[in-house]
Amino acid sequence: SYVLTQPPSVSVAPGKTARITCGGNNIGSKSVHWYQQKPGQAPVLVIYYDSDRPSGIPERFSGSNSGNTATLTISRVEAGDEADYYCQVWDSSSDHKVFGGGTKLTVL
Amino acid sequence: EVQLVESGGGLVQPGRSLRLSCAASGFTFDDYAMHWVRQAPGKGLEWVSGISWNSGSIGYADSVKGRFTISRDNAKNSLYLQMNSLRAEDTALYYCAKDIGGDPTGSDAFDIWGQGTMVTVSS
Repeated sequence: SYVLTQPPSVSVAPGKTARITCGGNNIGSKSVHWYQQKPGQAPVLVIYYDSDRPSGIPERFSGSNSGNTATLTISRVEAGDEADYYCQVWDSSSDHKVFGGGTKLTVL
Repeated sequence: EVQLVESGGGLVQPGRSLRLSCAASGFTFDDYAMHWVRQAPGKGLEWVSGISWNSGSIGYADSVKGRFTISRDNAKNSLYLQMNSLRAEDTALYYCAKDIGGDPTGSDAFDIWGQGTMVTVSS
């Protein structure tokens, strides 16, 4: 089955830029979605189809996808961005939705 | 307000059954595919099952195939998950999630999530 690899943790100072990667075999050929999950809360969609933002999501959140890596970029990081972030794709070979293992973003 | 509310979780012994429900409101339920996604304590997200808008297309994760059955009642704006032969490893918070599109397969995202219902499998 298709595997998505995320770093377990990323740390960034307030006001800086955080980049969270999601690795997968030829992931650039797939549509990647990103979810934010704060402690005790349900996940929230923050980026879909690689780089689209749902309404209500700040422009500070952006996404890209090429080759074997998709990236979620959070500019001008705020304390409120501290959360777990998950990437997700559809694996056509198994017809399954697949999540990455998640990345804990810590704001220093 | 778009909302998904899960119910039916609880403590159950290994080998027993449980049925989860998800009540949808604030959107045209029968236009969209729906899914169940679970999260074991302290772990990541795992897709469990998905069903198309008309129940014509259904998919399951390998870990639950043959034990879990997803269904929906569009007249009641409700999604269900019948869980049989439960195992300790099924212990998780189960989320109901709305698909952006009408087909559970394909590249669409989950744009609305419920708050989840906890299932604990233990003797």
